[in-house]
Amino acid sequence: QLVLTQSPFVSASLGASVKLTCTVSSGHSSYAIAWHQQQPEKGPRYLMKVNSDGSHSKGDGIPDRFSGSSSGAERYLIISSLQSEDEADYYCQTWGIDIAFGGGTKLTVL
Amino acid sequence: QVQLVQSGAEVKKPGASVKVSCKASGYTFTGYYIQWVRQAPGQGLEWMGWINPNTAGTPGGTFHAHKFQDRVAMTRDTSISTAYMELSRLKSDDTAVYYCARVGIGGTSQGWFDYWGQGTLVTVSS
Repeated sequence: QLVLTQSPFVSASLGASVKLTCTVSSGHSSYAIAWHQQQPEKGPRYLMKVNSDGSHSKGDGIPDRFSGSSSGAERYLIISSLQSEDEADYYCQTWGIDIAFGGGTKLTVL
Repeated sequence: QVQLVQSGAEVKKPGASVKVSCKASGYTFTGYYIQWVRQAPGQGLEWMGWINPNTAGTPGGTFHAHKFQDRVAMTRDTSISTAYMELSRLKSDDTAVYYCARVGIGGTSQGWFDYWGQGTLVTVSS
């Protein structure tokens, strides 16, 4: 079964960088994922797709501060120069067998 | 630009049905699958199913997660580029925000969601 695992809570300081992790379940380490941002009281917004080789492609209007990478079964979302509006829930999503979402990471900007 | 605009909030009693609409614009509606996702209060995203706007109404034109199998119907009206999700026999734990989303690759249900609707809050309460 395809399962995506995320840390529930992450915090980082204003202006710093943070790396969020989405781990793909065993046997599925070749799967690409997508990252979605959900700001408080808003709907999700597509950020980028991250492939198993670490290449990534961003959605329309996503700032350069957002990037992605991979290592093995882990897919990363890196946010640099953190701003207050980056405080949000971040979900990873995959596809192929079924559609699956990770449980989400709540990012707090200190 | 691509937009998905959903219908407004609904309040329903247990046992009733609700039909949420998702109007697409800025692209060829029949070229991309629409997925439906819901989010209960304070919870994460839960996938519900998808519709192929090109072939809906024929075998294989829709697919639902097993837990919704006999309660959900996904339809579309291509003349107005609108997809619908109807959930019947509502229960209190169906209270959630319901989202439609477009699959970013044309012609398949399996892909990343590149555009989302704004969400429709459905409240089920007696």
